[in-house]
Amino acid sequence: EDKVVQSPLSLVVHEGDTVTLNCSYEVTNFRSLLWYKQEKKAPTFLFMLTSSGIEKKSGRLSSILDKKELFSILNITATQTGDSAVYLCAVGSSQGGSEKLVFGKGTKLTVNP
Amino acid sequence: NAGVTQTPKFQVLKTGQSMTLQCAQDMNHEYMSWYRQDPGMGLRLIHYSVGAGITDQGEVPNGYNVSRSTTEDFPLRLLSAAPSQTSVYFCASSLGQGYRSPLHFGNGTRLTVT
Repeated sequence: EDKVVQSPLSLVVHEGDTVTLNCSYEVTNFRSLLWYKQEKKAPTFLFMLTSSGIEKKSGRLSSILDKKELFSILNITATQTGDSAVYLCAVGSSQGGSEKLVFGKGTKLTVNP
Repeated sequence: NAGVTQTPKFQVLKTGQSMTLQCAQDMNHEYMSWYRQDPGMGLRLIHYSVGAGITDQGEVPNGYNVSRSTTEDFPLRLLSAAPSQTSVYFCASSLGQGYRSPLHFGNGTRLTVT
């Protein structure tokens, strides 16, 4: 059975701290890993990673994938209160012509002023 | 640019009632899907569609029906509501299926079944 495990489940930091969120996976025929940010409502897309070792970066957020060790990390530097959200990791796979996207349970990040 | 629009935002049903959750997108995406989000469970796929006239089951399809008569609309029907269907429901669309391209989510429908 395909599995996506995120850690920690929750995290409380102070503004200005740097945080690292983890996503490990076990899937058949890995195709991609995606990160989403969910504030009050809809998840919004952050990154899609398909190749190992290539960092994706957007402002203070960055992410990297390790396909050998089957995990990804999402880094946020100089955190702000607006970074408070649930961060979701999803892993795409294909099997027998069928495509699948499995979500982790998310990491709830709280950034205090 | 509206993106993905879901209605209603909130709904309370009694056990056994039926209802339809509406979803519309204006991005001309072929792929649309419905997820439910429960505490401690993550997002789980209910049904999906790869284009008008084509639908398929996801991970948790029981108790739900879908249809896709147009590219824009993908309603989700609860046939006979049960308390286990209390959840937040998200509709999503994307250019491609599954892992190929990012999902664009609607703002969700919070459903309570008493």
